[in-house]
Amino acid sequence: DTEVTQTPKHLVMGMTNKKSLKCEQHMGHRAMYWYKQKAKKPPELMFVYSYEKLSINESVPSRFSPECPNSSLLNLHLHALQPEDSALYLCASSRKWGENEKLFFGSGTQLSVL
Amino acid sequence: GESVGLHLPTLSVQEGDNSIINCAYSNSASDYFIWYKQESGKGPQFIIDIRSNMDKRQGQRVTVLLNKTVKHLSLQIAATQPGDSAVYFCAEADQTGANNLFFGTGTRLTVIP
Repeated sequence: DTEVTQTPKHLVMGMTNKKSLKCEQHMGHRAMYWYKQKAKKPPELMFVYSYEKLSINESVPSRFSPECPNSSLLNLHLHALQPEDSALYLCASSRKWGENEKLFFGSGTQLSVL
Repeated sequence: GESVGLHLPTLSVQEGDNSIINCAYSNSASDYFIWYKQESGKGPQFIIDIRSNMDKRQGQRVTVLLNKTVKHLSLQIAATQPGDSAVYFCAEADQTGANNLFFGTGTRLTVIP
């Protein structure tokens, strides 16, 4: 299994809603990432987890809350988002963090905030 | 942070021709580079990578060239096919020792049948 699986594929939410994005990989990777990608822009790093511990938070607003329940799962909890948070949210994994390892990406969750 | 940029935002090539996508980077200390392909509605897909101790690396129909002197990276696709139509990103690994990838702007490749 060489896939990173993200659910849901599409999500529409209001500014007062609470929702969660989910990501799963079974490649035995110990580093997992959240990226945000606006239309026609490159992906931008949000968070990095290494061995289930948060290692990098790229100054992301607190309305985005990551969680890594175990080495295979990564969640992104959303609360009180703004319309400008609408974007494609990509999850990725790599064998480990801190080395030059290639990242494997999921297909993303297309989020629309109304 | 590092600046990773592409020279051309769009590229159109005839099917069967070779494609060359260019990328410039500004951090001379960077030592790891990756090319990703992103099709519409999908996440970035790894194509090929190269470390700074190399100047050329070949894969299946793809070749990456690295010129550290002018901080330039290129992706060559041989015998371009319609399925190669996508946005191509070069990415540069952060040199703090972390695996933080910084992506370039992206080039949209369109293959004309």
